[in-house]
Amino acid sequence: GENVEQHPSTLSVQEGDSAVIKCTYSDSASNYFPWYKQELGKRPQLIIDIRSNVGEKKDQRIAVTLNKTAKHFSLHITETQPEDSAVYFCAALYSGTYKYIFGTGTRLKVLA
Amino acid sequence: GAVVSQHPSWVICKSGTSVKIECRSLDFQATTMFWYRQFPKQSLMLMATSNEGSKATYEQGVEKDKFLINHASLTLSTLTVTSAHPEDSSFYICSARVPLGESGSASGNEQFFGPGTRLTVL
Repeated sequence: GENVEQHPSTLSVQEGDSAVIKCTYSDSASNYFPWYKQELGKRPQLIIDIRSNVGEKKDQRIAVTLNKTAKHFSLHITETQPEDSAVYFCAALYSGTYKYIFGTGTRLKVLA
Repeated sequence: GAVVSQHPSWVICKSGTSVKIECRSLDFQATTMFWYRQFPKQSLMLMATSNEGSKATYEQGVEKDKFLINHASLTLSTLTVTSAHPEDSSFYICSARVPLGESGSASGNEQFFGPGTRLTVL
């Protein structure tokens, strides 16, 4: 079946450094890729998304890049802050539906 | 815009009883909602797609007679866990697709999540 792989599973960075989380998807027809941030016990919150007709999108300290040929997309967080600590999930829209296939999550710790 | 509520936020029940969880879109009409289950330190597992006015579509391995889904209006979907057992204890989260044209939607593919319901079956 369709699959989204996410790496790394855990990531620790020093405050102010950058963090990169990578995802690979298998459905070549996927055309929408959201990223969610989930704090412990809370709902996932949409932080950025990208559609397949663009290669990069940026929103302040957060950016997402997409390589359709390689079926890779990545989340980049610059100038990390302690409040960025959370679990981040990537997802890919399952083609022909509105369903998401989620990655396994990355636990990001930003050390002060 | 694009606010989704869920009720209750937590519930404790005895084994063998049924529990109903409600998911509401507060400021938009959601023709499509989704129900997920999330175990500790794991990802979100899609259980079913809830379609307003029609039967839900269940993912492989999810028992439709155990997890009853009703989407009777454009703002409300309910999940009933029937004959709950301890292994059903989990964090249940709904999401709603925001249709194109609604606040919060740029593509018609965005999903916004409810706050989740923590179910504990004794």
